[in-house]
Amino acid sequence: DAGVTQSPTHLIKTRGQQVTLRCSPISGHKSVSWYQQVLGQGPQFIFQYYEKEERGRGNFPDRFSARQFPNYSSELNVNALLLGDSALYLCASSWGGSGANVLTFGAGSRLTVL
Amino acid sequence: AQRVTQPEKLLSVFKGAPVELKCNYSYSGSPELFWYVQYSRQRLQLLLRHISRESIKGFTADLNKGETSFHLKKPFAQEEDSAMYYCALSPTGFQKLVFGTGTRLLVSP
Repeated sequence: DAGVTQSPTHLIKTRGQQVTLRCSPISGHKSVSWYQQVLGQGPQFIFQYYEKEERGRGNFPDRFSARQFPNYSSELNVNALLLGDSALYLCASSWGGSGANVLTFGAGSRLTVL
Repeated sequence: AQRVTQPEKLLSVFKGAPVELKCNYSYSGSPELFWYVQYSRQRLQLLLRHISRESIKGFTADLNKGETSFHLKKPFAQEEDSAMYYCALSPTGFQKLVFGTGTRLLVSP
């Protein structure tokens, strides 16, 4: 198993543009979560999806949106990019949707906004 | 409010010395607590969780509800323990993790 895979690994955008990040969970995992990690900080929760439904949302503006597909893969979209959106975006998957399930993280997508 | 505090950005010790990485949390209920580790050029991965009450790679962590702490300890540090360590809590009934800012452990020979 390749683990949690994310694409792209690196990307550069300019202010005002839009970006889509993709995540494929471990086979059999039905829950996907997204985290933003700014340099020097711990990861910050953005979204959780389980069985294609949003289960949780962190304190992020409406410019951030996500969805989960029937095959349990997920996309994170960020509109109207700001310089402060520059960060490592981590995807994590788990078998179930509850807090008892251990998260497995991907390597991340590093977004630079110029 | 849910908050995790890791007061030390960097902890530097010599091989064979004891290690204690501090973690304090703020949460009104009974959270699940975790330690995640990120070795150089590797992914963030779970080290241990308090409900398991197990020792992983010689590390242990005890939940002290009175002091709202979940410090990570190892009696004899090894060079391969050098990594970034994050303490995290999961609020009751939710899967989201609230992370601290992390502590970089550097073990010198």
